[in-house]
Amino acid sequence: DIQMTQSPSSLSASVGDRVTITCRASQGIRNDLGWYQQKPGKAPKRLIYAASSLQSGVPSRFSGSGSGTEFTLTISSLQPEDFATYYCLQHNSYPKTFGGGTKVEIK
Amino acid sequence: QVQLQESGPGLVKPSETLSLTCTVSGYSITSGYYWGWIRQPPGKGLEWIGSIYHSGNTYYNPSLKSRVTISVDTSKNQFSLKLSSVTAADTAVYYCARDDYGDSPRPWGQGTLVTVSS
Repeated sequence: DIQMTQSPSSLSASVGDRVTITCRASQGIRNDLGWYQQKPGKAPKRLIYAASSLQSGVPSRFSGSGSGTEFTLTISSLQPEDFATYYCLQHNSYPKTFGGGTKVEIK
Repeated sequence: QVQLQESGPGLVKPSETLSLTCTVSGYSITSGYYWGWIRQPPGKGLEWIGSIYHSGNTYYNPSLKSRVTISVDTSKNQFSLKLSSVTAADTAVYYCARDDYGDSPRPWGQGTLVTVSS
């Protein structure tokens, strides 16, 4: 299985801050990666697909980058509605595997 | 637009079989895509369980493969999950999703909590 190591596991930030979350794959996965946002009691929502493509309807403050083994999700200016848990997922090979999650909390 | 809805018992006894169904609306399963299941234990991260094509071709997580069966009922536009010999460790919110080959799952159902307890 491909292991996805996500960091940090949690962070505290203020509204307006730039936030970066990283996922590292245990082997190369090209750009076969998605990023998800999950709020309490809700299903995950895909923000980014193919590592850097913004899902329709998602604010442009979200962006993804990377290829191979290292990927980042950036929120350029954190908004109140962005406080949530974020997950990466690799779909390069089965089984599909998620990162452990990053909880973004209010400072 | 595609919508998915999970249904099934919220409580299952240890050693029994967990059975869930996902009903798809707004899209015919036979038109394409894989359809899958993902779970999340309370307060923990996400685990991919497996997925199925309308032809019946499946992919399973090896960690669960010996206990998991995913099937499809094209006449009802549904697909189902069976997980046998459950223990408390199988207590989780179970999500269904459109989970195509070579893509990340989207959209997801709202999820259903299944508790394993006597």
